Formats: sequence, structure tokens, C-alpha cells
Amino acid sequence: ILNVEQSPQSLHVQEGDSTNFTCSFPSSNFYALHWYRWETAKSPEALFVMTLNGDEKKKGRISATLNTKEGYSYLYIKGSQPEDSATYLCAFLSGGSYIPTFGRGTSLIVHP
Amino acid sequence: DTAVSQTPKYLVTQMGNDKSIKCEQNLGHDTMYWYKQDSKKFLKIMFSYNNKELIINETVPNRFSPKSPDKAHLNLHINSLELGDSAVYFCASSHLTYNTEAFFGQGTRLTVV
Repeated sequence: ILNVEQSPQSLHVQEGDSTNFTCSFPSSNFYALHWYRWETAKSPEALFVMTLNGDEKKKGRISATLNTKEGYSYLYIKGSQPEDSATYLCAFLSGGSYIPTFGRGTSLIVHP
Repeated sequence: DTAVSQTPKYLVTQMGNDKSIKCEQNLGHDTMYWYKQDSKKFLKIMFSYNNKELIINETVPNRFSPKSPDKAHLNLHINSLELGDSAVYFCASSHLTYNTEAFFGQGTRLTVV
């Protein structure tokens, strides 16, 4: 069983704050790391697919970094807005199964 | 133009019944998945099919049987439903060869009464 951990479990921030969360995964047999955004009553939607150590990806105010050697990825949100409120999931894919194994997510609430 | 579609969206049924949830993707992906969302919103992999072949079958009761008639479809059949089967089930697809992200269906909320 692959261990994918996310922290913190939940986060409350004020509008305009910048924030970040962590995804930890096995450092061996790495294939890919995905980040998803999951709004209430909707389905998860992909933010980033990360494959190389040192990868940095950016989409608007959201960015992510990847360290495959130590087994972690950070997701950053700059200047949080209420519409950023969602659960953010990471999914680890190993070179063995190639199946997305999800962490339990970080629930972000941005207060106006 | 829904990419991954699941039907039905809601399913309420009595204990002991047999039911199916259908999933279709029109993205040309080679791999399809079924995930179960638990009460704490955790997505747990149940099954994965690559090009119609089962590639992963996590520990789920054998009352759950996936069926993939072709690459675009992965249906989930559940026999002898139990109260504990109540959950939201998500179908997803991706293209393993090109390492794409997973695209999810809308989810099916199954309630067993």
C-alpha cells in the first residue's frame, strides 16, 4: 500500500493571504505526481501533472514544486480568494502500477 | 460533450438488490478506474482497467465486479448490496502512455436502505 500524506488536513485563511500545503510520497519508483482541485458537489479536476525532479508548474496564482528524491511536493496559492476554497488532492503514481493513489487532501477555506 | 459520464447520478436501493453503475469516456483514453469516496472524502482505488484488461483490483468484496466491454466503457456491477456499500463512487480515465491526468465523472451517490 502506497503511503501518500497531505498536510495540513484543513486550513482557514483570510482573503489575500498566501498559503501552501504539502504532499509526501514514497521516494522510490517515482513515475508522476498529480495535483487536483475538488470543489464541493463537483468532481476532482487536475491542476498539474509533474514528472521530473525539480519541476515547477504554475497556473495563474497557483504553483507547485516537486522533489522526487526526498518525496514531497508543495502547492502554493498566492493572494487567496474565496473562490479558491476547495479540497486540494495530490495523487502519486509509482513506476510499478501507474495508478493514481490519492492523499486525503487539504481542505482550504478562504474567508472574505 | 461530457468527457467522462457516469449514470445514474443518484441510486437508492434496498439491501440485497443487485445494481450497476455505468461509465463511459469519449477522450480516447486507454485506462479507466473506479474509486470509492469514503465518509471523509478519501478516494480509494477499487479497480483499474487498461485497454479492457484488469490491471489492479484492490481488496474489495467479490460482490463488486467491473466489466469493460471496450476501452471506452467500464461498468461496475454490485451484487447483494449491503448498508456499508453506501458511498459516492467515481469513475475516471487517463492515458497511461502519455501520462495524462485523470478525468473524473460526476460521481454516483449510492444509498442502500
